[in-house]
Amino acid sequence: DTAVSQTPKYLVTQMGNDKSIKCEQNLGHDTMYWYKQDSKKFLKIMFSYNNKELIINETVPNRFSPKSPDKAHLNLHINSLELGDSAVYFCASRPLGYTEAFFGQGTRLTVV
Amino acid sequence: GENVEQHPSTLSVQEGDSAVIKCTYSDSASNYFPWYKQELGKRPQLIIDIRSNVGEKKDQRIAVTLNKTAKHFSLHITETQPEDSAVYFCAASRIQAGTALIFGKGTTLSVSS
Repeated sequence: DTAVSQTPKYLVTQMGNDKSIKCEQNLGHDTMYWYKQDSKKFLKIMFSYNNKELIINETVPNRFSPKSPDKAHLNLHINSLELGDSAVYFCASRPLGYTEAFFGQGTRLTVV
Repeated sequence: GENVEQHPSTLSVQEGDSAVIKCTYSDSASNYFPWYKQELGKRPQLIIDIRSNVGEKKDQRIAVTLNKTAKHFSLHITETQPEDSAVYFCAASRIQAGTALIFGKGTTLSVSS
């Protein structure tokens, strides 16, 4: 009964490939996010969705395309993977109000 | 947009000492300030948070203070233990739907026994 779950946990792929990471939350939250954590541990917001609507799209290459089929799911598709895309990608969800964001376990993406 | 600065980037203390981590934020409309702890290979998890209408909050050995005028907030850990060793992140956010937590760059705390 994991609150925010991501798959896969590890992803190793070659440069130029296309890959997807899936995220699901069973908390009933309206807002979901994708964060990128690089080797220096910085947690950088990539995208924010509220009720399937894109709210925040930070300066992320357009090779990254989020998709929210419903408010419980937020997937991340990455085209033409590059070495610099190697990082840990965290999905998170959050309800409205003075509340925390709940993180998934992360997906460690390694591009070789 | 919001920008959060966090200091120090690394902090080493002896077991039993106190540790203080400081953050500043830029967006005066931010009104929610959580602190997360991330152990190696794990997800970030909330340890304490504070709202803009509160100046201080305490939970056992952990306390957070907020100065809205100066736009800075701090995490205080007393009587540190080896299991407190982790990366700590401060964050700032508005509470409106869809707004994101903007994180500081993290502080690696090492507690030696």
